[in-house]
Amino acid sequence: NAGVTQTPKFQVLKTGQSMTLQCAQDMNHEYMSWYRQDPGMGLRLIHYSVGAGITDQGEVPNGYNVSRSTTEDFPLRLLSAAPSQTSVYFCASSTLRGGTYTEAFFGQGTRLTVV
Amino acid sequence: RKEVEQDPGPFNVPEGATVAFNCTYSNSASQSFFWYRQDCRKEPKLLMSVYSSGNEDGRFTAQLNRASQYISLLIRDSKLSDSATYLCVVSPSGSARQLTFGSGTQLTVLP
Repeated sequence: NAGVTQTPKFQVLKTGQSMTLQCAQDMNHEYMSWYRQDPGMGLRLIHYSVGAGITDQGEVPNGYNVSRSTTEDFPLRLLSAAPSQTSVYFCASSTLRGGTYTEAFFGQGTRLTVV
Repeated sequence: RKEVEQDPGPFNVPEGATVAFNCTYSNSASQSFFWYRQDCRKEPKLLMSVYSSGNEDGRFTAQLNRASQYISLLIRDSKLSDSATYLCVVSPSGSARQLTFGSGTQLTVLP
């Protein structure tokens, strides 16, 4: 099973460039989310989605856009990259069972450096 | 106050020691709870779910205390390979629609 697939695994951007981090899951999960993790820090929620066509902001949404046109895909767009966005980005998915979310499954992460 | 708070750590323990982590949560209506393990610069992976009655998986025991709103993780007979960061995760209910992660507790098991 593929689970959650993130691409690319590594990326270097110049300040001001834009790019899209891809995330796809094949488990038919309703819930998908993006986190960033800075060195020595915990996960911070950027955006999340509870189903196709529904997205919402997390703790640190500025500088990022998302869309959810299908259940499987949840891309994260950096509009104009800044050095402060250098981080490791994780995508995760989960499903509802009995009115609550089951455990989250994570992609392998994208290591982004903005120079 | 953060929705999910963990022991700040780091915890440095010798091999064979028993170590316990606590995690408190603020939403009393939370329904599901998990412990994750994260190795350096890798994705978090599920260690175990936490059930109301408490549950055990080998050397790991998880407990839930709804009255005091905390979950705990006990690791017995620590191994070098247990060195990692341990994250607690709380699943929402009601109007909350996002999984909430604690900031993690770092454990180093020393030879």
